[in-house]
Amino acid sequence: GAGVSQSPRYKVAKRGQDVALRCDPISGHVSLFWYQQALGQGPEFLTYFQNEAQLDKSGLPSDRFFAERPEGSVSTLKIQRTQQEDSAVYLCASSLDGQLSYEQYFGPGTRLTVT
Amino acid sequence: GNSVTQMEGPVTLSEEAFLTINCTYTATGYPSLFWYVQYPGEGLQLLLKATKADDKGSNKGFEATYRKETTSFHLEKGSVQVSDSAVYFCALSPYGNNRLAFGKGNQVVVIP
Repeated sequence: GAGVSQSPRYKVAKRGQDVALRCDPISGHVSLFWYQQALGQGPEFLTYFQNEAQLDKSGLPSDRFFAERPEGSVSTLKIQRTQQEDSAVYLCASSLDGQLSYEQYFGPGTRLTVT
Repeated sequence: GNSVTQMEGPVTLSEEAFLTINCTYTATGYPSLFWYVQYPGEGLQLLLKATKADDKGSNKGFEATYRKETTSFHLEKGSVQVSDSAVYFCALSPYGNNRLAFGKGNQVVVIP
């Protein structure tokens, strides 16, 4: 079946522009996660949704970052007034349930380059 | 806080060699531990996991044992293949939480 998909796969933005990154989770998956992966580093947690509720946004690095999942399916990560330090791969993952026993399935990521 | 430390640097080895990648962690309580793998051009995939002390996770010939006394979860494979070339990430999920904390990852290159 279809896995987690993300679009666009690559995004180049000029500093100061706003960007929107989309995640389509596996159908029926309740939980959705966003991670940020800088070059040569492991992914860092950004935020977590259970259905449409954003239960944890403690990893968002600044108030320029905003995520939503209005209908409990597709999610969008928005970054306002992008800065060079925002350049990274943004990963989305979904899981059947928020409990520990359910695996997180990752999408291919969106590589954001801020020039 | 919760963190994962992986050994520094890429790992290059010959086909059929023994592979070990070290992973140690810092966490409060009793986290679950994971190894994820990223093959070239693909997304992160769960390789194996262990949810309590002394559990051994295994998959595709890889194994890792949850050692609470040494706070470690080292990954091992007895005989690697070229197809095992990938980046390997150790990760933990704190008890009662679902967010993952990852190590920096190790690039493994297997030479024929």
